[in-house]
Amino acid sequence: AQSVTQLGSHVSVSEGALVLLRCNYSSSVPPYLFWYVQYPNQGLQLLLKYTSAATLVKGINGFEAEFKKSETSFHLTKPSAHMSDAAEYFCAVSRSGSARQLTFGSGTQLTVLP
Amino acid sequence: EPEVTQTPSHQVTQMGQEVILRCVPISNHLYFYWYRQILGQKVEFLVSFYNNEISEKSEIFDDQFSVERPDGSNFTLKIRSTKLEDSAMYFCATGRGREGYNEQFFGPGTRLTVL
Repeated sequence: AQSVTQLGSHVSVSEGALVLLRCNYSSSVPPYLFWYVQYPNQGLQLLLKYTSAATLVKGINGFEAEFKKSETSFHLTKPSAHMSDAAEYFCAVSRSGSARQLTFGSGTQLTVLP
Repeated sequence: EPEVTQTPSHQVTQMGQEVILRCVPISNHLYFYWYRQILGQKVEFLVSFYNNEISEKSEIFDDQFSVERPDGSNFTLKIRSTKLEDSAMYFCATGRGREGYNEQFFGPGTRLTVL
């Protein structure tokens, strides 16, 4: 079975500050990991994904995430928060073989303060 | 940029009624999914669909639920007899490929309210 834990249901940062959203996974086989963002009244949009090619993954809007197998983590970071980054962020895991469905974390609501 | 669309955006229904949620996938995508998110809870997988049949389904996807692609374009989720606990946001997602590393593209969701 696979699962994802997102620490912190709400994170607040000041504009220009570092954004760090935490995600830890559990998977019996090497996972594929994703970060999705959801803006109000919109669907889930892919920010970035890890598919074993490189441990540091760069995504859209200046976000990146680092896969750390030893820590079973895939934390999302952005050096400088912008007001437009305010949204809900979901970490998700998939794996090869039959279980292609995404298993999501509970989400982290990011608030950016002026 | 192509996108997944869903209709209606909000559906209100009485308990015991049937509802059909509709999704128009991205045109060259072959894999289709339904997920749901009960307010305040995680996004949960319901079912995946490929080549006109269900590939996988979760425990949530019981006999009250069904999916089909009736006309080669729309992908629908039917709930036969809605319960209060079916109230949730339902997301359709579509993808190009079979493997787990393939991105799934999500629609904006349908908010289902069962009274």
